[in-house]
Amino acid sequence: QQQVKQSPQSLIVQKGGIPIINCAYENTAFDYFPWYQQFPGKGPALLIAIRPDVSEKKEGRFTISFNKSAKQFSLHIMDSQPGDSATYFCAAKRDTDKLIFGTGTRLQVFP
Amino acid sequence: EPEVTQTPSHQVTQMGQEVILRCVPISNHLYFYWYRQILGQKVEFLVSFYNNEISEKSEIFDDQFSVERPDGSNFTLKIRSTKLEDSAMYFCASTRLVADTQYFGPGTRLTVL
Repeated sequence: QQQVKQSPQSLIVQKGGIPIINCAYENTAFDYFPWYQQFPGKGPALLIAIRPDVSEKKEGRFTISFNKSAKQFSLHIMDSQPGDSATYFCAAKRDTDKLIFGTGTRLQVFP
Repeated sequence: EPEVTQTPSHQVTQMGQEVILRCVPISNHLYFYWYRQILGQKVEFLVSFYNNEISEKSEIFDDQFSVERPDGSNFTLKIRSTKLEDSAMYFCASTRLVADTQYFGPGTRLTVL
């Protein structure tokens, strides 16, 4: 119930493509769903986050789609760039709880 | 922009030795966390800390681990007797309000030989 399942494990796209990373959860008490971007040797950096009262949130080229009934959420990266090459983690938490991370997706964007 | 800082960036130690990992959270934050990430794996929660006491700890956070906020700025993680399996990246995180975003530091890579 505390798990967050993330797929795919790795993703390769061409520059300009739209990689999509999916996450699923079981605990309906989760109410905050962030995505973190991590470059090698660095800490996770918050990219974008959503709460379950909205179905979509967009910030720049990054969009979260949220499906509360299916207990799924996904990250879309529009017009992907080589600089977006990183590992992306979805996460979930309850209001006063710790972050539960997905297993990560390694994204490579080729020029 | 304020950020979480961690020292050292890399710590190498012998099995059985004590290590202290240090963090300086963002100055007006009240909630502090330690997470770890074994190479190539996901980030795992270790412990949360608020109002000078542990709020929650995971199964990983056994008696060999302890946390402390020795002054108004530092937040430390001590591993009393390190094991080979403690080798990982350790991340400190902080947040102002418990429902807010957690901001992560750059991590300390701990290598236990």
